[in-house]
Amino acid sequence: DSGVTQTPKHLITATGQRVTLRCSPRSGDLSVYWYQQSLDQGLQFLIQYYNGEERAKGNILERFSAQQFPDLHSELNLSSLELGDSALYFCASRPGGLGDNEQFFGPGTRLTVL
Amino acid sequence: AQTVTQSQPEMSVQEAETVTLSCTYDTSESDYYLFWYKQPPSRQMILVIRQEAYKQQNATENRFSVNFQKAAKSFSLKISDSQLGDAAMYFCAYSFLGGATNKLIFGTGTLLAVQP
Repeated sequence: DSGVTQTPKHLITATGQRVTLRCSPRSGDLSVYWYQQSLDQGLQFLIQYYNGEERAKGNILERFSAQQFPDLHSELNLSSLELGDSALYFCASRPGGLGDNEQFFGPGTRLTVL
Repeated sequence: AQTVTQSQPEMSVQEAETVTLSCTYDTSESDYYLFWYKQPPSRQMILVIRQEAYKQQNATENRFSVNFQKAAKSFSLKISDSQLGDAAMYFCAYSFLGGATNKLIFGTGTLLAVQP
């Protein structure tokens, strides 16, 4: 158990819908990262938050957005869903300080768009 | 832009034997981390081993060791005494040490099968 939790574990929805994925980082970790794992794109970085503020963006679609709340949990919002958004979405956290670069991954949320 | 390449989509090894998974990367930076992650059928991402680029000594974690060749930008993973539980997808990943973010850049993965 990495200490990072993600809910829900599975999500099945229809095209055009909107969903919210939730992540609770390890206690004390300030940085939260979101990654998408799909068959055609592989594992790719979406976005990072550090202590409530957006730190970096990767290959994140405009239909996707995220935020990190004062209690440091994060949510990834996916809207106007398309079939190609079906993927495993991971959240990872790390303390955020200099030095140790290890990220701890949650179990992922499996999103299926029908 | 940094890239990570894993040229072996699939590998197979006999139980108790040794196998080496290959990884090459491209970067213009000098300070970075390299990682090997294991993803079993449960889909959980598990850190196997990591290497800081400024360290010349190759990292070792029990049966897992790396061969880090900085000049060649090569980072291979050796699994000794392979066990059935080692069967999984293995991802090589890169992370720049400096800068505002320490995002991970992943390779495409190598699916390792362990034959009894």
